[in-house]
Amino acid sequence: GAVVSQHPSRVICKSGTSVKIECRSLDFQATTMFWYRQFPKQSLMLMATSNEGSKATYEQGVEKDKFLINHASLTLSTLTVTSAHPEDSSFYICSASGYNEQFFGPGTRLTVL
Amino acid sequence: GESVGLHLPTLSVQEGDNSIINCAYSNSASDYFIWYKQESGKGPQFIIDIRSNMDKRQGQRVTVLLNKTVKHLSLQIAATQPGDSAVYFCARLGGGTSYGKLTFGQGTILTVHP
Repeated sequence: GAVVSQHPSRVICKSGTSVKIECRSLDFQATTMFWYRQFPKQSLMLMATSNEGSKATYEQGVEKDKFLINHASLTLSTLTVTSAHPEDSSFYICSASGYNEQFFGPGTRLTVL
Repeated sequence: GESVGLHLPTLSVQEGDNSIINCAYSNSASDYFIWYKQESGKGPQFIIDIRSNMDKRQGQRVTVLLNKTVKHLSLQIAATQPGDSAVYFCARLGGGTSYGKLTFGQGTILTVHP
């Protein structure tokens, strides 16, 4: 089946540092990947749509200069949280479109101290 | 605006009982709905989907019902098992300018007691 991985699964960083999260489609090519954020006991909120070879499109209220997205290949998209602050602590989940379906990664738990 | 929401934030059932999780939507342009299961600390897993040209769809132990008149869909889980304990989300797949984007509902926490 279609598998999406994320790395790292957990990361703890100091306030002001940047963190990069990788999302990979392991056995299929994904022209489009999506990045979601999920706060505790809340739903998934779409942050941005990542398109291979072009700029990401961000949802309203999501700062593109703070959440940098790079989709350099058909199997890899990265999300970099720049100058992270404690309020950026969240569960970040990616999904990849393939076979007319979205497949979700296992998520990355970010904790900013 | 568009929204997909849930009536019941928590649901507790006994093992073996049937579970029903509800979802309401406000945008009549929606034509494709998906139910996801999310276990603690994991990403969502696809359970079942339904298009607006259908009223009902069945899978293994799960049934999704869509009532377009009242803009309501439900997920029925038969013979609920402890392994079914998770958060369940309905989601709508967008079209047009929102093509391919998923809008998630609030979520329902299902707890199955042995």
